[in-house]
Amino acid sequence: DQQVKQNSPSLSVQEGRISILNCDYTNSMFDYFLWYKKYPAEGPTFLISISSIKDKNEDGRFTVFLNKSAKHLSLHIVPSQPGDSAVYFCAATINNAGNMLTFGGGTRLMVKP
Amino acid sequence: DGGITQSPKYLFRKEGQNVTLSCEQNLNHDAMYWYRQDPGQGLRLIYYSQIVNDFQKGDIAEGYSVSREKKESFPLTVTSAQKNPTAFYLCASSIRLQGAEAFFGPGTRLTVV
Repeated sequence: DQQVKQNSPSLSVQEGRISILNCDYTNSMFDYFLWYKKYPAEGPTFLISISSIKDKNEDGRFTVFLNKSAKHLSLHIVPSQPGDSAVYFCAATINNAGNMLTFGGGTRLMVKP
Repeated sequence: DGGITQSPKYLFRKEGQNVTLSCEQNLNHDAMYWYRQDPGQGLRLIYYSQIVNDFQKGDIAEGYSVSREKKESFPLTVTSAQKNPTAFYLCASSIRLQGAEAFFGPGTRLTVV
């Protein structure tokens, strides 16, 4: 049973518009969430994270929102740029408990010029 | 430059042969990990190591083996017992056991022919 799910395998957005990538989790013990960006044939790179004590974290064009009651998080990219085209993975963990990251299946974002 | 290196980038193996994937890091990170990526399934943890001479099985360790004789190195051997070895393999490291943000290597694509 997948504990972290990204239900949209792909998303297409026009340049300059907002991209919203969604992620759902089932394990209520998860308290730290991360987003990674991955280009083809490369390793993922860390993008942004959020602790469960917050409901929002912002870094430039990237904002992550956490809704603990709904066990849902989302990544907003605004404005979207063609260079943002990649696969985005959300991941969750129980911080400081020696638990590993559990990854979602990824969402492929395509930003059209 | 600090980082994680994996070699080779592409690897072909005949069915029934063992093969070892290299992973080296010069980030002075204590923890290292091996993940496997299959299409649409995200990243799944194979093995991880918190400290030299110690390692633990992840979610899909069957058919794999690792060693951690040096802090900088965490090689993964894909044995003939691994039923579906064709995949993209990613090595990662972090300052401490996750949830600190993990840094990923560029990956090795293994194809069994």
